[in-house]
Amino acid sequence: KAGVTQTPRYLIKTRGQQVTLSCSPISGHRSVSWYQQTPGQGLQFLFEYFSETQRNKGNFPGRFSGRQFSNSRSEMNVSTLELGDSALYLCASSPTGEGYNEQFFGPGTRLTVL
Amino acid sequence: DAKTTQPNSMESNEEEPVHLPCNHSTISGTDYIHWYRQLPSQGPEYVIHGLTSNVNNRMASLAIAEDRKSSTLILHRATLRDAAVYYCILSYPSGTYKYIFGTGTRLKVLA
Repeated sequence: KAGVTQTPRYLIKTRGQQVTLSCSPISGHRSVSWYQQTPGQGLQFLFEYFSETQRNKGNFPGRFSGRQFSNSRSEMNVSTLELGDSALYLCASSPTGEGYNEQFFGPGTRLTVL
Repeated sequence: DAKTTQPNSMESNEEEPVHLPCNHSTISGTDYIHWYRQLPSQGPEYVIHGLTSNVNNRMASLAIAEDRKSSTLILHRATLRDAAVYYCILSYPSGTYKYIFGTGTRLKVLA
């Protein structure tokens, strides 16, 4: 079974631009979560999608948004990029998103904002 | 949101057991306790999880205190490949699924 894949793996953008990151979950998984990892703040939850609906959202500004498609693939978008958005963005999938499910993480997308 | 507290770092000798502690004093009755680890330049990897009873799998054991306010991840024989940051996380009840990661414990394994 293929693991969680994220594209692109590396991205360089400039301030003010927008960016879209993609995540393909493990086949059959319907829950996809996104996390931001920075040296200063560690791993922070962004949002979780299940069956195309956002079920939960972390404490991030509205510039961060996401969506999930009918095949469970998910995208996240960051508009008006700031230097502080430079981070590793991780996607994780699980079968149903229940508390007892384990999450399977992808390798992440490394975003650098110049 | 329920939080977890872990030591920033620990060291262990290779092939010796390692006990990684975690405090979660505000845990609710339905929260699961999960452990993940993150190796350098990789996404987090699932290690083990439990609710009330101690759990074993091929990677590790999880010992949960009777009052559930703390837990311990046990690596029975540490290897150099176990050097990673270990996160103890509480997962929320169904429908409000999200993980709150703490700072984790950086485990150093000495040869």
